Amino acid sequence: DAGVTQSPTHLIKTRGQQVTLRCSPKSGHDTVSWYQQALGQGPQFIFQYYEEEERQRGNFPDRFSGHQFPNYSSELNVNALLLGDSALYLCASSLEVSAKNIQYFGAGTRLSVL
Amino acid sequence: AQSVTQLGSHVSVSEGALVLLRCNYSSSVPPYLFWYVQYPNQGLQLLLKYTSAATLVKGINGFEAEFKKSETSFHLTKPSAHMSDAAEYFCAVSEYARGNKLVFGAGTILRVKS
Repeated sequence: DAGVTQSPTHLIKTRGQQVTLRCSPKSGHDTVSWYQQALGQGPQFIFQYYEEEERQRGNFPDRFSGHQFPNYSSELNVNALLLGDSALYLCASSLEVSAKNIQYFGAGTRLSVL
Repeated sequence: AQSVTQLGSHVSVSEGALVLLRCNYSSSVPPYLFWYVQYPNQGLQLLLKYTSAATLVKGINGFEAEFKKSETSFHLTKPSAHMSDAAEYFCAVSEYARGNKLVFGAGTILRVKS
């Protein structure tokens, strides 16, 4: 049973560019959440997708957008990259109907903005 | 708003000694609480969870945590540290009724000395 998979593992971009990160949820999961983990900090919630719609959003600007596909996989897009966007981006999946709300994390995509 | 405070950004113990990592939370409704572990260059792995059942929760790798509502605490313990426990540990809270985003603490890096 494959867990949460993210691609690519590493990415280097320059300021002003755009980036797309991808996530495949754990088998059977229908909800995907994205988190940003800056160096030395805990993960910060960006947004969550369920039934192909953004259900909940954290305190991130509109430059951060996402999408969920019918197969439950998801993309995170960041436009007009800033140096401060350099971080580890984590994807987590969960099962909506589960009240226990256990989220399973992928290994992350490390984004470096130069 | 939910929040998590982890006391001590770095904790150092000798191999075989007790591990105690502190976590205090703030939540306006009964919370779900989690401890995750992160090894270098990896994603987050769930250690244990509290979801309003037993207040003493046992997790993987010999870790356990006790939910104390009166103290708003959920400290993580392990009776005897092993070298392989060296990692960063994150406490997180969620309020399922408000969507299931996780709010993380800043993390505690555990060092195990031989």
